[in-house]
Amino acid sequence: EDKVVQSPLSLVVHEGDTVTLNCSYEVTNFRSLLWYKQEKKAPTFLFMLTSSGIEKKSGRLSSILDKKELSSILNITATQTGDSAIYLCAVERAGANNLFFGTGTRLTVIP
Amino acid sequence: DAGVTQSPTHLIKTRGQQVTLRCSPISGHKSVSWYQQVLGQGPQFIFQYYEKEERGRGNFPDRFSARQFPNYSSELNVNALLLGDSALYLCASSLAIREKLFFGSGTQLSVL
Repeated sequence: EDKVVQSPLSLVVHEGDTVTLNCSYEVTNFRSLLWYKQEKKAPTFLFMLTSSGIEKKSGRLSSILDKKELSSILNITATQTGDSAIYLCAVERAGANNLFFGTGTRLTVIP
Repeated sequence: DAGVTQSPTHLIKTRGQQVTLRCSPISGHKSVSWYQQVLGQGPQFIFQYYEKEERGRGNFPDRFSARQFPNYSSELNVNALLLGDSALYLCASSLAIREKLFFGSGTQLSVL
């Protein structure tokens, strides 16, 4: 059965800290791994990763995929209160038309 | 440009009732997907429609149905509501199947 596991489930940090969120997966016919940020209701797209070892970067956020270890990490440096959200990891399978999501990591950044 | 719009934003129903949720995709997007997100869980795939045809279905009972209209908007129907149907229902649109998803803000359904 397909599985996407995120850790930790929740995290509380102070502004300025660096955080690393983890996502591991077990799916057949893996195609890509995606990260979304869900602040209130609508998940917003962050990254899509298809190739192992290539880092995607956007400002203070970066992510990398390890296809050998079937995992990905999302790094956030110099965290701000606006980074407080649920971060969702999702996997797309080749030939499938849907995303399979993990339960998410709830990040809280306190001033 | 308007994003994905969903209506209503909140809805309260009682067990056994039926509900219809609506979604308007981003202009130019031809695919609409529906996801259910129960509190504390990640979104779970329900349906995908492309060019008015069902292109994917998740593991949900037949009480759940959907359709897509010629203008690419979509409706999700749930019959014989159960308490466990209480969730945030998210609609996402994309240019085509297997393209990047853009999510709406969802409809929060409470079944009492």
